[in-house]
Amino acid sequence: EVVMTQSPATLSVSPGERATLSCRASQSVSSNLAWYQQKPGQAPRLLIYGASTRATGIPARFSGSGSGTEFTLTISSLQSEDFAVYYCQQYNNWPLTFGQGTKVEIK
Amino acid sequence: EVQLVESGGGLVQPGGSLRLSCAASGFTFSSYWLTWVRQAPGKGLEWVANIKQGGSEKYYVDSVKGRFTISTDNAKKSLYLQMNSLRAEDTAVYYCAGGVVALDYWGLGTLVSVSS
Repeated sequence: EVVMTQSPATLSVSPGERATLSCRASQSVSSNLAWYQQKPGQAPRLLIYGASTRATGIPARFSGSGSGTEFTLTISSLQSEDFAVYYCQQYNNWPLTFGQGTKVEIK
Repeated sequence: EVQLVESGGGLVQPGGSLRLSCAASGFTFSSYWLTWVRQAPGKGLEWVANIKQGGSEKYYVDSVKGRFTISTDNAKKSLYLQMNSLRAEDTAVYYCAGGVVALDYWGLGTLVSVSS
């Protein structure tokens, strides 16, 4: 099983600042990596797939990078609606696995 | 507009069974991988099962193998999860999701509570 490890667990950021979230895979997942955003009481929403491709309708302030075992989600200028929990997920190997999540909170 | 609507959740005793359903609309149902993901209260996301379009391939997380069965009915554009021998640790919100590679579309979820 590919273990996905996200850091930090919680990120405190002021509106307008940049947020950088990390995701590490225990073995290479190539570029088969997605990022999701989840707000309280809501279903997750796909942000990024293929490690760096934004999903339909996702603002340009969200960007993804990396390949192999190291991945990054960057939110260039945090808006109020971006405070949420973010999950990475690999779809290179069965079982599909998620990271434990990074909570982005208001500083 | 793509919609996935889950139903069938509820309270069940340990050892009991439930069948979850997910009704899909607004996309070519038979062209997507379909997935069940669950989230225990206050916890993260856990992938449960996948089925390939056409049903030729099915995959399960180890903790549900032999207990849960994923299936589809293309005519009804519906995804199902038959859950048997339920345990307390199966308590979660169950989401159906679909996509070509990643999980593009998600339902709102249905809560399954396993308790005596």
